[in-house]
Amino acid sequence: GAGVSQSPSNKVTEKGKDVELRCDPISGHTALYWYRQSLGQGLEFLIYFQGNSAPDKSGLPSDRFSAERTGGSVSTLTIQRTQQEDSAVYLCASSLVGAGQGNQPQHFGDGTRLSIL
Amino acid sequence: QKEVEQNSGPLSVPEGAIASLNCTYSDRGSQSFFWYRQYSGKSPELIMFIYSNGDKEDGRFTAQLNKASQYVSLLIRDSQPSDSATYLCAATNQAGTALIFGKGTTLSVSS
Repeated sequence: GAGVSQSPSNKVTEKGKDVELRCDPISGHTALYWYRQSLGQGLEFLIYFQGNSAPDKSGLPSDRFSAERTGGSVSTLTIQRTQQEDSAVYLCASSLVGAGQGNQPQHFGDGTRLSIL
Repeated sequence: QKEVEQNSGPLSVPEGAIASLNCTYSDRGSQSFFWYRQYSGKSPELIMFIYSNGDKEDGRFTAQLNKASQYVSLLIRDSQPSDSATYLCAATNQAGTALIFGKGTTLSVSS
C-alpha cells in the first residue's frame, strides 16, 4: 500500500486479556518502529526493527510487551495480561533505512487506539 | 533521561502571520531533527526534517537548526486556519534507533 497500515484501528478489551496489534510498513522500508501515545503524554518509543531483528527494544515498558517482525515486512506487537495503564494509541512508523545508514524520516500509520476496561 | 522540550502553547496567530515554533534538545548525540503536525485524533504527519546547521525551506515552512545551542525551530509563513494543529518536534537518539519527541506545541490560526 501507499502508507503504513495498522490494524485494528480500535481495540477494546478487558483487563488481563492478551492483545495483538499489527503493522504493515511502506513497501521497501527496512526500518520499523513502534511508539505509543497516552493522553496528555508525548510519543514514547517502544522498539526498533531493522529487517527482522530488533537491535533496540529499550522502550518496552515491561516483559508483558513483545514484538516480532517477519519477512522484513509485517510486525506484530503483543501485550499480555493487559492493564489499564496500557490504554493508549499505539503507533507504528517505517523508514526507508534505519540507524547507521543515514536516518530517513519516519512515516506513521493511523495507529491502534487500545482501551482496557 | 534525554529530552526534547517544547512550549505547550497555545500559540495563537492571525491568518497570514508568521508562526514561530521552538524546541530544545538535551542529547548532543542527536543528528537528525524532525517536525510533525498532528491534528486532533490523527497520527503525526511529517512536515520538515533537517540534519545540518542553518535553514531549510520548503514552501511556507522553514526549519532552523543550531546544534551549538541545541535548538530547533519551525517557521510557518502566511499561516492558514488549516495550519491549526499540534506541532511535534523530534530528535534522533544518539544511536539513531529512535525518535525522542517533545510534547508538542498547539498552534491556533484565527481567520
